[in-house]
Amino acid sequence: EADIYQTPRYLVIGTGKKITLECSQTMGHDKMYWYQQDPGMELHLIHYSYGVNSTEKGDLSSESTVSRIRTEHFPLTLESARPSHTSQYLCASSGDRVRETQYFGPGTRLLVL
Amino acid sequence: DAKTTQPPSMDCAEGRAANLPCNHSTISGNEYVYWYRQIHSQGPQYIIHGLKNNETNEMASLIITEDRKSSTLILPHATLRDTAVYYCTRYSGGSNYKLTFGKGTLLTVNP
Repeated sequence: EADIYQTPRYLVIGTGKKITLECSQTMGHDKMYWYQQDPGMELHLIHYSYGVNSTEKGDLSSESTVSRIRTEHFPLTLESARPSHTSQYLCASSGDRVRETQYFGPGTRLLVL
Repeated sequence: DAKTTQPPSMDCAEGRAANLPCNHSTISGNEYVYWYRQIHSQGPQYIIHGLKNNETNEMASLIITEDRKSSTLILPHATLRDTAVYYCTRYSGGSNYKLTFGKGTLLTVNP
């Protein structure tokens, strides 16, 4: 069973605020991912990391930024939240060099007013 | 240029087998087929994966056609808790570890 955590689970915030969504995993996985998903829609990869100090933008352009200073931690930051950022953000990790079994956290539901 | 194609929705009676198809006609020889499911906007959950041979685990069975252009996920005895969106994806390994999730199939298990 995978151990990957996201906080907060729900966040309601005003426009212009800076927010950081936390994601941590205790499995020692080297690869981590952030996905964005609107209700009823598909998941879109917005950021990924293959290891410490490695970050890449995903397939969907996002105004958010990420950092990977420690293996277990992959936070996502929005410098100035806008209503268009309202969505669910899902973090995942994987560690198998052959297969790509990604383990997902419970997600953060963000509402920007 | 969808990497996989799935029906948008399917229904299944509780206790019956649910057979979810996926078309991946452009799959290359080294690409695995992966299945995940997402229950009511929770984080997706890995179900099963395969390359050429049929696979079975405690959750499901995966049948891959001989030409590998399509596959079927089988839930042998569907329960109400299996109601979810099921995603079929492809992964080739190497240095590209990204998965692409399409729209998936919403499976509704009816009592």
